Amino acid sequence: GQQVMQIPQYQHVQEGEDFTTYCNSSTTLSNIQWYKQRPGGHPVFLIQLVKSGEVKKQKRLTFQFGEAKKNSSLHITATQTTDVGTYFCAGRNSGYSTLTFGKGTMLLVSP
Amino acid sequence: NAGVTQTPKFRILKIGQSMTLQCTQDMNHNYMYWYRQDPGMGLKLIYYSVGAGITDKGEVPNGYNVSRSTTEDFPLRLELAAPSQTSVYFCASSSGQGLTYEQYFGPGTRLTVT
Repeated sequence: GQQVMQIPQYQHVQEGEDFTTYCNSSTTLSNIQWYKQRPGGHPVFLIQLVKSGEVKKQKRLTFQFGEAKKNSSLHITATQTTDVGTYFCAGRNSGYSTLTFGKGTMLLVSP
Repeated sequence: NAGVTQTPKFRILKIGQSMTLQCTQDMNHNYMYWYRQDPGMGLKLIYYSVGAGITDKGEVPNGYNVSRSTTEDFPLRLELAAPSQTSVYFCASSSGQGLTYEQYFGPGTRLTVT
């Protein structure tokens, strides 16, 4: 079955440093979504990428979808303590109504 | 709009007991999902439904059952609870319209089986 791998599992940064998490799928994806889960909370949708090579920005967050539609990344510029949480990517194959989630990257930001 | 609601928030079960986790959404979404989340393991799909009366197995369905008699409700049944079912359970829904399958998650149920 489809597998979605995410690295790193964990990253601890100082406030103001940049952060990147990477997502790789074993199959070509129809689209990829990113979610954020705060400690003790539930996953919250951030963004969806659909097109090959697509880049989207949300303030300090930049999301990319690879040319082959098998990998993606989330980059946070100048992290803040409010960025703390676990970031998940989730891939969907064409024709399927379900997502396969990566294991997530836990981000800790020290002030 | 309450979004996706789940009850109970917490539950402790003894081995062999049964229970139903409730999930309701008020967004008129056709698609609903049940996930379990174990520490460091991401979200694993248990069951999902694409509409009332239609359910299908996900990645980890063993030990669970679901039903979808209405658009709003998607209860998850645990029969003969086992310690391996200790986890946080999330229900989610999505409209499934067009290309967007953004999922809205409930607050979760933290279940411990001892």
